[in-house]
Amino acid sequence: EDQVTQSPEALRLQEGESSSLNCSYTVSGLRGLFWYRQDPGKGPEFLFTLYSAGEEKEKERLKATLTKKESFLHITAPKPEDSATYLCAVLGGGATNKLIFGTGTLLAVQP
Amino acid sequence: DADVTQTPRNRITKTGKRIMLECSQTKGHDRMYWYRQDPGLGLRLIYYSFDVKDINKGEISDGYSVSRQAQAKFSLSLESAIPNQTALYFCATSDHDRDEQYFGPGTRLTVT
Repeated sequence: EDQVTQSPEALRLQEGESSSLNCSYTVSGLRGLFWYRQDPGKGPEFLFTLYSAGEEKEKERLKATLTKKESFLHITAPKPEDSATYLCAVLGGGATNKLIFGTGTLLAVQP
Repeated sequence: DADVTQTPRNRITKTGKRIMLECSQTKGHDRMYWYRQDPGLGLRLIYYSFDVKDINKGEISDGYSVSRQAQAKFSLSLESAIPNQTALYFCATSDHDRDEQYFGPGTRLTVT
């Protein structure tokens, strides 16, 4: 069964304190791994898609990386506006376009 | 203007009532999805549609039905609402040649 596990569940950082969020997955035939950001009361906002091990994507202070078993979202010198829940999802093999989501990491960046 | 819109944004209803949630998109995408989000459970797929004539059940379709009225419109109905359907509901869209999905702002539904 396809499964996504994110850790930690919550992370509190000081402004400027870099860290990483983890997304471990088991899926038959990975077609893609996705990172989303979700602010309270809003829908998930698409950040990155990663397709193969070794691939990296960057956007401002965020960098996503992918291995055969997990993905990391690295946050460099975070700012308070980076506070949000970060969701990871995988798209497995087969005819459906069904994303399997993790339960997210709640990130709080304090000034 | 938002590319994916959902109405209503908030709704409180009573057990046994029928309720419809609506989703519209201006992204020109052919694929649309309905998810629900519960604390500690993450986002779960209810129904999805790859085009106007295509409707498919997701992992938690019991108690729900959908209608794809046009390429840009996808509605979710609760035929007889029950309290454990209290949740955040999200509509999403994607293009047939891209895998990423784009989400609407959500509907917070409370069933009392």
